[in-house]
Amino acid sequence: KQEVTQIPAALSVPEGENLVLNCSFTDSAIYNLQWFRQDPGKGLTSLLLIQSSQREQTSGRLNASLDKSSGRSTLYIAASQPGDSATYLCAVLRSYNTDKLIFGTGTRLQVFP
Amino acid sequence: GAGVSQSPRYKVAKRGQDVALRCDPISGHVSLFWYQQALGQGPEFLTYFQNEAQLDKSGLPSDRFFAERPEGSVSTLKIQRTQQEDSAVYLCASSLEELAGGETQYFGPGTRLLVL
Repeated sequence: KQEVTQIPAALSVPEGENLVLNCSFTDSAIYNLQWFRQDPGKGLTSLLLIQSSQREQTSGRLNASLDKSSGRSTLYIAASQPGDSATYLCAVLRSYNTDKLIFGTGTRLQVFP
Repeated sequence: GAGVSQSPRYKVAKRGQDVALRCDPISGHVSLFWYQQALGQGPEFLTYFQNEAQLDKSGLPSDRFFAERPEGSVSTLKIQRTQQEDSAVYLCASSLEELAGGETQYFGPGTRLLVL
């Protein structure tokens, strides 16, 4: 059974710091991996999607890497801002013909001015 | 509408009461998903529809949970005889194509259910 773990569970940093959030999964046979952002009282917003054949994706200050063989992904946030405060979730999709995203428990990030 | 909407946003139910949660997906989206998110946890898959067909309901925790999407658009998640352990945020998501695969799932804001 695929299990997805995120470390740390919570993180509080001053504005401007570069951050690394970690995601690990037990079964390396995945189709893709996504990073989501969840704001309180709001739904999830997809940030980055990495196909299993890719090693990284970048969007603005965000960079996500994937090492499928070791079952790990990292989300790098450069020059953090208070507006980055949210819960960050990673999720894996096992194969193309299944639609079940398997989520980690999330990292709750607070960036203070 | 511009995104996935859900109603009600908050629901307080007495234990044993039946509840119905509504999801309006993005217009034209074929796939619809329900997830359950307990406090401090990540979302967990409940069920999946392709148009009006419920193709996967393996995540429904018990036979008290029932979902439908009769016309292939709006979906309703019904919970009968609610229990305290049903308290969670119920998230709905939709995607454009039949199989999510590489498609992005667009999430609604969720319904927060509290069972007393």
